[in-house]
Amino acid sequence: SAVISQKPSRDICQRGTSLTIQCQVDSQVTMMFWYRQQPGQSLTLIATANQGSEATYESGFVIDKFPISRPNLTFSTLTVSNMSPEDSSIYLCSVEVGGSAGELFFGEGSRLTVL
Amino acid sequence: QKEVEQNSGPLSVPEGAIASLNCTYSDRGSQSFFWYRQYSGKSPELIMFIYSNGDKEDGRFTAQLNKASQYVSLLIRDSQPSDSATYLCAVWGSGGYNKLIFGAGTRLAVHP
Repeated sequence: SAVISQKPSRDICQRGTSLTIQCQVDSQVTMMFWYRQQPGQSLTLIATANQGSEATYESGFVIDKFPISRPNLTFSTLTVSNMSPEDSSIYLCSVEVGGSAGELFFGEGSRLTVL
Repeated sequence: QKEVEQNSGPLSVPEGAIASLNCTYSDRGSQSFFWYRQYSGKSPELIMFIYSNGDKEDGRFTAQLNKASQYVSLLIRDSQPSDSATYLCAVWGSGGYNKLIFGAGTRLAVHP
């Protein structure tokens, strides 16, 4: 298992501003994943972050809007840039543990509301 | 487009009954299948995974897989009110699409 800490847990933001979400894992992991869960919806993968390389973004998500950093094997950040109300969502950090593809542990999530 | 389909529910069952949650997927090459439980306001947690055709049991949970029919199910025996949650089916993609694809989830309500 893994203990994943996300900050902030929730925030209310103004349109046009940016917010950085932090994800700290209690063990070294190769891959970290950032998901978005919009109200009443399932999980959508934003990007995969590997340490030492550029994040890989899914269709519909771009680096300018969602820049990601992965400075080491236990930490990552996701920035939501130039926010609009459509970005109101829960953002979740997750990791694979034990090298088993698909067996993910999730952080508690960051609930963003954009006014 | 690789898809995972679930009935959104809610599926309402009485306490002590068997809850049956179903999922179909489009990627015929997928080999790994997962069930996550998500309580309201919480993040998902992995409860079962299955890789081979047939049944896999873990306590009150049984996952069933039929790759020919591209069908996965989760049975919860002796359902408890604490099982009330949204259950997300997830499939690991194939053919270079090495990512977890989630269904929209089925909301389960177990009433006393």
